[in-house]
Amino acid sequence: GEDVEQSLFLSVREGDSSVINCTYTDSSSTYLYWYKQEPGAGLQLLTYIFSNMDMKQDQRLTVLLNKKDKHLSLRIADTQTGDSAIYFCAENPGGGNKLTFGTGTQLKVEL
Amino acid sequence: GAVVSQHPSRVICKSGTSVKIECRSLDFQATTMFWYRQFPKQSLMLMATSNEGSKATYEQGVEKDKFLINHASLTLSTLTVTSAHPEDSSFYICSAKDLISYEQYFGPGTRLTVT
Repeated sequence: GEDVEQSLFLSVREGDSSVINCTYTDSSSTYLYWYKQEPGAGLQLLTYIFSNMDMKQDQRLTVLLNKKDKHLSLRIADTQTGDSAIYFCAENPGGGNKLTFGTGTQLKVEL
Repeated sequence: GAVVSQHPSRVICKSGTSVKIECRSLDFQATTMFWYRQFPKQSLMLMATSNEGSKATYEQGVEKDKFLINHASLTLSTLTVTSAHPEDSSFYICSAKDLISYEQYFGPGTRLTVT
């Protein structure tokens, strides 16, 4: 399809791991991004991965990239209530400046 | 980290009036800024790419005469919604691409409500 797709909703218990998945569209994208958006706020860049990498870890965040399947995932270890937000993946089609965003995944962390 | 500000953060205006939204990169220079629109519970849709010193590039379906973009300096881009109507009510977010690092930083967004 044409859209960068994400599942709409994910609910986890505090302390568990969260895995948010994304299927992007353009194999020539050079960077894949994960952004966090809290209610009524702008986007916060969490992490990004270069397209020639398979995995990137940054503290509690692990990004996995399967370029063959155009699949990207974000794992949040030890999920906290402060992680509750909407998470967007994004790609830069053609390796350019523009970003195409996914549909967003609402993460809800329950006590 | 790099900071991008938007002003105002929230605006309510009457139908038919024009509204200007500012996007500033506070501690870096940006030759390229982007304007996005986000409807409730939806993703960000790129409206236009703003280039310092030249005309903006609009995405398909975005009316350039309605959404005027000016990028007069390396730290400021403005979006003017002309003759606003209720259907223009939305969350407008800008981003700025750092001239040196090429990273893109997002502003906090502007909530526009047209009554």
